[in-house]
Amino acid sequence: AQSVTQLDSQVPVFEEAPVELRCNYSSSVSVYLFWYVQYPNQGLQLLLKYLSGSTLVKGINGFEAEFNKSQTSFHLRKPSVHISDTAEYFCAVSSKAAGNKLTFGGGTRVLVKP
Amino acid sequence: SQTIHQWPATLVQPVGSPLSLECTVEGTSNPNLYWYRQAAGRGLQLLFYSVGIGQISSEVPQNLSASRPQDRQFILSSKKLLLSDSGFYLCAWRMAGGTGELFFGEGSRLTVL
Repeated sequence: AQSVTQLDSQVPVFEEAPVELRCNYSSSVSVYLFWYVQYPNQGLQLLLKYLSGSTLVKGINGFEAEFNKSQTSFHLRKPSVHISDTAEYFCAVSSKAAGNKLTFGGGTRVLVKP
Repeated sequence: SQTIHQWPATLVQPVGSPLSLECTVEGTSNPNLYWYRQAAGRGLQLLFYSVGIGQISSEVPQNLSASRPQDRQFILSSKKLLLSDSGFYLCAWRMAGGTGELFFGEGSRLTVL
């Protein structure tokens, strides 16, 4: 069965500093990987996704993630955060073997401080 | 383009009262539909999903039920709410097959008093 681990439940970071959110998945087959962002009292919005091809994926709002098959990781990065990046971030994995069911990690809450 | 809407956005209900949350998708046909819940400080919990009209799968036993009376309509219900039903409810859809990517509604915050 596939699973996702987000290693940090909370990440405080100062404005304009870089941030990395870690995500590791467990699956024995080819996967699709996603990062979603959830602002307070809103639904989840797709930041970026890896389906195939280049392992470096660029998304909205200056975020990017790198797929590392050997380490089964899909870490999310942003070189300089803004106050508006304060939100919860969810990593998710799906695979054809699992019927394209999306499995979410527990989420990482990012708090950007001025 | 496809859109998803759910309502109401906010709901305050007494214990023991009924519940109905509605979700509709536009711009696509035969979507897979999902209901998730987020309790305070916790992650996403999948409650129900549906691959077609009248087809409902429940992920966890609980006080809630779901129905899909039309292709693009998904309803979450309860006959008698419990305090533990409080939370943020999210409806989502995806294309049958595809990559698994989910598209979420705006959410409905339920407070049971």
